[in-house]
Amino acid sequence: DVKVTQSSRYLVKRTGEKVFLECVQDMDHENMFWYRQDPGLGLRLIYFSYDVKMKEKGDIPEGYSVSREKKERFSLILESASTNQTSMYLCASSPRTAWPQHFGDGTRLSIL
Amino acid sequence: TQLLEQSPQFLSIQEGENLTVYCNSSSVFSSLQWYRQEPGEGPVLLVTVVTGGEVKKLKRLTFQFGDARKDSSLHITAAQPGDTGLYLCAGAALGSARQLTFGSGTQLTVLP
Repeated sequence: DVKVTQSSRYLVKRTGEKVFLECVQDMDHENMFWYRQDPGLGLRLIYFSYDVKMKEKGDIPEGYSVSREKKERFSLILESASTNQTSMYLCASSPRTAWPQHFGDGTRLSIL
Repeated sequence: TQLLEQSPQFLSIQEGENLTVYCNSSSVFSSLQWYRQEPGEGPVLLVTVVTGGEVKKLKRLTFQFGDARKDSSLHITAAQPGDTGLYLCAGAALGSARQLTFGSGTQLTVLP
């Protein structure tokens, strides 16, 4: 069974901390995505990567960075966490020419 | 920025009833995806529609893409409690299959 695994289901951090969210996929997919999901706003794309070391900004990249050193792993970094980054974060993957197909179960991040 | 509006935002019905969820935009999409998300899990892709006027069926679920590829509907026949979840539509912009614009979702509750 295909799988996208996010390292933490719940995470609590303090403002100003550097926060790492990890995502691993086992389907050899080229594309990987990071979204945040907030009530009433749907899913908003933060960053996506179409190959190792390649990345493109999504709709809301401010305050975030990403890293993709290996094909199966895509990391989201909050450089200096702020309370407005409290949210559900979802990772997804897909083959090269396709839209996001497989999502992880999400990381609920709280910034205090 | 392309916007997708879903209606209704919340829907609570009795088991056995029929329902329709709508997804509307003023923008044209190259394709439109429907996902279902259950509590504590990531979205699961249900279907993709590509051609204007296209109709796809998935057991008791019928998906239709508008002729102008600006809107879509999801019809569920004889709803069951297992259909409960958040239904999300997402449109792929012309020329950018990897990036999706998500609607804010319809929270469906089917009561036994």
